[in-house]
Order: sequence, then C-alpha cells, then structure tokens
Amino acid sequence: QVVLTQSPSASASLGASVKLTCTLSSGHSNYAIAWHQQQPGKGPRYLMKLYSDGSHIKGDGIPDRFSGSSSGAERYLTISSLQSEDEADYYCQTWGTGIREFGGGTKLTVL
Amino acid sequence: EVQLVESGGNLVQPGGSLRLSCAASGFTFSNYWMHWVRQPPGKGLVWVSRVNPDGNNTTYADSVKGRFTISRDNAKNTLYLQMNSLRAEDTAVYYCARSSGWYEYWGQGTLVTVSS
Repeated sequence: QVVLTQSPSASASLGASVKLTCTLSSGHSNYAIAWHQQQPGKGPRYLMKLYSDGSHIKGDGIPDRFSGSSSGAERYLTISSLQSEDEADYYCQTWGTGIREFGGGTKLTVL
Repeated sequence: EVQLVESGGNLVQPGGSLRLSCAASGFTFSNYWMHWVRQPPGKGLVWVSRVNPDGNNTTYADSVKGRFTISRDNAKNTLYLQMNSLRAEDTAVYYCARSSGWYEYWGQGTLVTVSS
C-alpha cells in the first residue's frame, strides 16, 4: 500500500521561495502525484500533476510561481515570490488501481 | 468554466440520514469519474467514494461501506451521496471532485454535522 508523507508545517518570508516535499513509500517511487492547495475556509484547488521524471501539468490559471520537481521517491512543490494568499494547506495525492491516497498536508505560513 | 456546487449538508442526529448533491456544469459530466472526499474538522482530506461515468461501478472506503451510496444522474448533471446510519465520526465537510485519476476540480464543500 502506498503512503504519502508530508511535513506538518513550513514557513517562509513574503517574497521568498519555499520548497514543500511529499515522499512516496518504499516501492512506489515511480508514482505520479498531484498537488492541491487549500486556502483557509475554502475547498481544495488542483495545482499540478507531477510525474517521476519531474515533468508536470498545471491546472487552469495556476501562476508560473508554482513549479514541481522530482527526485527518487520525493516530489516537490516550489513556490517562488511568496505572496500572502499562498498561506494555505498543501496536500499531495496519488492514485492507481485500488489506490486513492492523500498525504497528511503541510500548513504553509507566510511570515 | 467548470463548476461543482455541493448542497444538502446539515445537522443530523446519530443514526439519521442525509442526501448530498453536487451540481456540475461547464463540462461533459457523463464523461468523467466523480468522487466524494471528506475533511473532518481540523484534519486532512479523506477519500469516501467514487462512481464511473455510467453510474454502474461504485467503490467505497471501508469506513462508509454498507451505509453510504453514491449515484449520479447524467441527465441532470448531478452527483449524489446518500448517507444512512450516520455516526459522530462522519462529521466533516464533504467535497465532490472530478477525477481523471487525480482530482482536477473540486467543489466548495458542504458541512455535515452528526450530533445529538
């Protein structure tokens, strides 16, 4: 069974960059994931689908400040030029036959 | 523009029933798998159920199997979740989501509170 692991929290300053990590469990390093953003009091929003080779497909209207990359079992979401509205929870998600899993989420604080 | 709008959430007593709806627009509803995902207060996202485009293939999380029923009406572009024998641990915001494996679009959610 695939498990997605995320750090519970992260913080970075306004205008800076931050890199969030989602780690796939052993034996599943080739899985694609999706990143979702959930701003306070709102429903989730799809950011991008991220493949094991680092290529990614963004959702509609997602700014260039959001990018994805991969290394082994780790999937990254990098947000550059942080803005106040980027303060949110970020979830990774994977899928497959019998698999519908979310990571525990990372709460990003913009200082 | 793709839109998913949930409704039907409410306060209900333990053992009670509730039916959630998700009205879809801006895309060909009958072409997509649809899912329900829930979020307990202060916690993360948890998958609940899914239905195939034709409505004849459904899957459930173990926690709701036998109590919840997912269905869809492609003529009305609407997804449903019938929830019976509700428990306190079913308290959550319920989201519908359009799926191509990953969740491409989400609704804004509807709150279900199970309490006496």
